[in-house]
Amino acid sequence: KAGVTQTPRYLIKTRGQQVTLSCSPISGHRSVSWYQQTPGQGLQFLFEYFSETQRNKGNFPGRFSGRQFSNSRSEMNVSTLELGDSALYLCASSAGLHYGYTFGSGTRLTVV
Amino acid sequence: DQQVKQNSPSLSVQEGRISILNCDYTNSMFDYFLWYKKYPAEGPTFLISISSIKDKNEDGRFTVFLNKSAKHLSLHIVPSQPGDSAVYFCAASGDGGGNQGGKLIFGQGTELSVKP
Repeated sequence: KAGVTQTPRYLIKTRGQQVTLSCSPISGHRSVSWYQQTPGQGLQFLFEYFSETQRNKGNFPGRFSGRQFSNSRSEMNVSTLELGDSALYLCASSAGLHYGYTFGSGTRLTVV
Repeated sequence: DQQVKQNSPSLSVQEGRISILNCDYTNSMFDYFLWYKKYPAEGPTFLISISSIKDKNEDGRFTVFLNKSAKHLSLHIVPSQPGDSAVYFCAASGDGGGNQGGKLIFGQGTELSVKP
């Protein structure tokens, strides 16, 4: 079956702009989580959606937001981009915690 | 406040020998632990997990041990193969607050190098 698909793979944006990243989970998975990976901070949890509702949220500023659609696809949005937002953004989907979370290949965001 | 710690940034092992990757945590409410393997420019790949009600889980060459009293878990890879060379992350979940899903707290990772 198809894995978790994230688009785009690479993105370059200017400070102050906003960006939207997309994630298509594995078919049948209703939980979608987002993570930010940077060299200094490692993998950090952004938020998780389940059945179109945000179920968990990490410690990120309000500039980071997300949503989930009825087909479980999810988007995350970052407004007023800062240089420090440059990172690999990973999406993961799951049928349940005990099945583990399957990650996509990520979107590499560079803010210049 | 790093709740999940992997104190060894790197580990080098000879092919065929055992690799032991360690992970410590501070939050006693964590009740589920996972190990992931990651190659550069790819997302993490799920390896193996363990519930806090168990102290060992085995899957092929991979075994995870959990010592709840010490708040410590370890991943054993036997025998190690060059293809195992990657960054390994441990992750924990569960805060006892009922919201068990989705929020994984990751360690900083250990880069494993298996030499032929």
